[in-house]
Amino acid sequence: EDQVTQSPEALRLQEGESSSLNCSYTVSGLRGLFWYRQDPGKGPEFLFTLYSAGEEKEKERLKATLTKKESFLHITAPKPEDSATYLCAVRETSGSRLTFGEGTQLTVNP
Amino acid sequence: DTGVSQNPRHKITKRGQNVTFRCDPISEHNRLYWYRQTLGQGPEFLTYFQNEAQLEKSRLLSDRFSAERPKGSFSTLEIQRTEQGDSAMYLCASSLGQGSSYNEQFFGPGTRLTVL
Repeated sequence: EDQVTQSPEALRLQEGESSSLNCSYTVSGLRGLFWYRQDPGKGPEFLFTLYSAGEEKEKERLKATLTKKESFLHITAPKPEDSATYLCAVRETSGSRLTFGEGTQLTVNP
Repeated sequence: DTGVSQNPRHKITKRGQNVTFRCDPISEHNRLYWYRQTLGQGPEFLTYFQNEAQLEKSRLLSDRFSAERPKGSFSTLEIQRTEQGDSAMYLCASSLGQGSSYNEQFFGPGTRLTVL
């Protein structure tokens, strides 16, 4: 059974203080690893898809990387508007469902 | 806005009542998914459709839950005889079925269900 574990559960940063969020996964065959951002009371917003180890993708202050066992979401010089819950999910080769982790709640203080 | 839409956004019901939610996917997407999310947890998969065919159902989808996508466009999720444990955010997502970007699932705003 697919498993996704995210750490830390919560992270508080000062504006401009860079950090990384971790997503560890266990899947029989990886078809894709996905990062989403979720604001309170809203649906998840798609950020990135990573398909193979060594792949990296960037968007503004965010960069996602992938190894065979985990993914990192690096946040460079965050701003208060980056405050949200960041969700990681995997899709295995034999299915269409996404299996999500519990998320990391990020708070960026001004 | 041509994103995924869901109605209603909020639903409050009494235990034992039936409720129905609607999801309208992105127009060119032929795959549609339902997930359930409780506070502090990630979304959990319930079921998915490719066009009008329901291809996969989770063990979470008890016999009180039924989903349809009659014409391969919008979908409905019905919960019969609601229980307090059904209180959650119900999320709908859609994706393309083919092509290099077909993996990405785009989510709607969700329907928040509260069972009293």
